[in-house]
Amino acid sequence: GQQLNQSPQSMFIQEGEDVSMNCTSSSIFNTWLWYKQDPGEGPVLLIALYKAGELTSNGRLTAQFGITRKDSFLNISASIPSDVGIYFCAGDFNNAGNMLTFGGGTRLMVKP
Amino acid sequence: NAGVTQTPKFQVLKTGQSMTLQCAQDMNHEYMSWYRQDPGMGLRLIHYSVGAGITDQGEVPNGYNVSRSTTEDFPLRLLSAAPSQTSVYFCASSTGGRETQYFGPGTRLLVL
Repeated sequence: GQQLNQSPQSMFIQEGEDVSMNCTSSSIFNTWLWYKQDPGEGPVLLIALYKAGELTSNGRLTAQFGITRKDSFLNISASIPSDVGIYFCAGDFNNAGNMLTFGGGTRLMVKP
Repeated sequence: NAGVTQTPKFQVLKTGQSMTLQCAQDMNHEYMSWYRQDPGMGLRLIHYSVGAGITDQGEVPNGYNVSRSTTEDFPLRLLSAAPSQTSVYFCASSTGGRETQYFGPGTRLLVL
């Protein structure tokens, strides 16, 4: 099946620092999504990207849909303790919204 | 409006036992999906449905059955549990297309 490679696998940063994580694929996706998962919960959508080259922000979060449609990145600026969690990228090939391919996740830890 | 609900929250099975994981949504969403999440990994699609009476296989369907007799419910059945099915199972729903996919809180399954 399709594979999404997400990096880094984990990050331990100081509060206030900026964070960057990315996702690459061997296949083209028509939609890129970024989710956050808190312990014991299901993933929650942070940002959705629908067009190659698109740059979208949601508060302190910024994500971009790569021009080749095979990659995406997520930046978090001025991190705070509640940013702790696992961040997943996901690709949607057919834009149906119900058949997502997920990356392996980036575990973010923030030191106050 | 409870969103996506899943029961049970936790379950321990012996190899060979059968059980049904329940998923229900009250948002009148046509699209529903089941994913499994193994430790340190992203979610993988098991089965999905685009409406009542319509189901199809995802990336890892072996060992699981689904049915969709109503819009609200999408149960996942394990006919003969195996230790390899130890995982966290997430149900999700959406209206399809570019609309957000909402995830339930998950069911943690341990097969001994």
